[in-house]
Amino acid sequence: QVQLVQSGSELKKPGASVKVSCKASGYTFTSYAMNWVRQAPGQGLEWMGWINTNTGNPTYAQGFTGRFVFSLDTSVSTAYLQISSLKAEDTAVYYCARDPSGSWYSPLGFDPWGQGTLVTVSS
Amino acid sequence: DIQMTQSPSSLSASVGDRVTITCQASQDISNYLNWYQQKPGKAPKLLIYDASNLETGVPSRFSGSGSGTDFTFTISSLQPEDIATYYCQQYDNLPSFTFGPGTKVDIK
Repeated sequence: QVQLVQSGSELKKPGASVKVSCKASGYTFTSYAMNWVRQAPGQGLEWMGWINTNTGNPTYAQGFTGRFVFSLDTSVSTAYLQISSLKAEDTAVYYCARDPSGSWYSPLGFDPWGQGTLVTVSS
Repeated sequence: DIQMTQSPSSLSASVGDRVTITCQASQDISNYLNWYQQKPGKAPKLLIYDASNLETGVPSRFSGSGSGTDFTFTISSLQPEDIATYYCQQYDNLPSFTFGPGTKVDIK
């Protein structure tokens, strides 16, 4: 079955970097877009952007440019989210989520989701 | 950017009750709307796509309707396992997706 498995929780100090992984299985990795979604503690869902898993081209939502980088290793069907110069306000659960449409031009949304990775930024 | 609102922000209902959540878009999004369920401590799950289509495997007590700017999500008979926060999400204004703020559903 289609599954996304993310790396474990991280505790980082302000100014450090973190790299979250999202390993896909059960489908052809390079045929579906991969999205990243943030959920701050007790808050709602915020779309961060997506990456074209065929070309590696990322698209970042407003507010997620500069310190956030999406990347891939297609040899192991894995997408990555790297956040640099971490701040306390980056503390959140980060989800990867596949777009179920299989279309690069008419994306639909998010299904399935990874289990989430909690990134805590604290001195 | 398209803004999404949901009401109510939270509700309490009894087992067996009919529960209705509304979602409003700041502009016409046709039927480009999804609904997600997020149980406490879990990842969200897609329940309904294209405003009214039930995802495979989702119980038929869940339904969605609407088009344009006004949408409705209904649980016809609330069950204890339906305790969750429900989010609407638009995909008309690509490449930007927007979620509603969520509706928390509890059992009375």
